[in-house]
Amino acid sequence: SQELEQSPQSLIVQEGKNLTINCTSSKTLYGLYWYKQKYGEGLIFLMMLQKGGEEKSHEKITAKLDEKKQQSSLHITASQPSHAGIYLCGADIAGANNLFFGTGTRLTVIP
Amino acid sequence: GAVVSQHPSWVICKSGTSVKIECRSLDFQATTMFWYRQFPKQSLMLMATSNEGSKATYEQGVEKDKFLINHASLTLSTLTVTSAHPEDSSFYICSASSANTGELFFGEGSRLTVL
Repeated sequence: SQELEQSPQSLIVQEGKNLTINCTSSKTLYGLYWYKQKYGEGLIFLMMLQKGGEEKSHEKITAKLDEKKQQSSLHITASQPSHAGIYLCGADIAGANNLFFGTGTRLTVIP
Repeated sequence: GAVVSQHPSWVICKSGTSVKIECRSLDFQATTMFWYRQFPKQSLMLMATSNEGSKATYEQGVEKDKFLINHASLTLSTLTVTSAHPEDSSFYICSASSANTGELFFGEGSRLTVL
C-alpha cells in the first residue's frame, strides 16, 4: 500500500546504539500500530497509538504519534540482537478499522 | 492475552485442489477479521476484510471467487483458496479485531505450498 511509507527500508546498527524508524501517512491517521515480525512468523504487536502527541514505551522501545504530521516514529534505545527483525507500522486510515501496512523496515543488530 | 488461532499452520496440496484455512479468536469476540498474505521478503498485503454475518470486502486485485471468505460467527472466519495453483503458495495470516477494545490480534499464520 502506498498510503504508508516507512523509512529507512533497512537498517544495520551496532549493538548498544539507538535508532529510529519512521512511518508516514499520506492521509489522516485514526490509529497507528507498530508490529515486529520475524520472517515466516506471525506479527508481534508492540504498541497502538491513537491520539495526537501520544507516546508509549515498552521496555527499550518508544513510539510517538504526531498527528499533525501524519507520522509516527519508533525509537529503540541501546539496541540488542534480540531487536532484530522487520518492523511494520499499520494504520487505520479510513477510520473504519481497516488496516494498511507500511513496507517494513528490516533491522539488523550487529553484536 | 487475547489469542487468535489459525489452522492449519502449514499445508501442502496439489494444483487444482481447494484448501480451507481457519482463523479463530479463542477468548474474545471479533466482529471484524482480516486476511493477509505475505510473499518472501515482502510486507504483508491485506487481501480482504471480513465482517461477521456479511460479505467480505476484497482489496483491489484479489479475486473474490478464488479466495472465498466466510465469517459465520464472532469467533471464526475461514479462507478457502479454490483451485489452488503454485503461484498461490504463500504465507497467509489472519487478524481479528476485538469487539470490545478494537485492538487487533494476529494469528500465527498458515503456510500454503501448492505443488
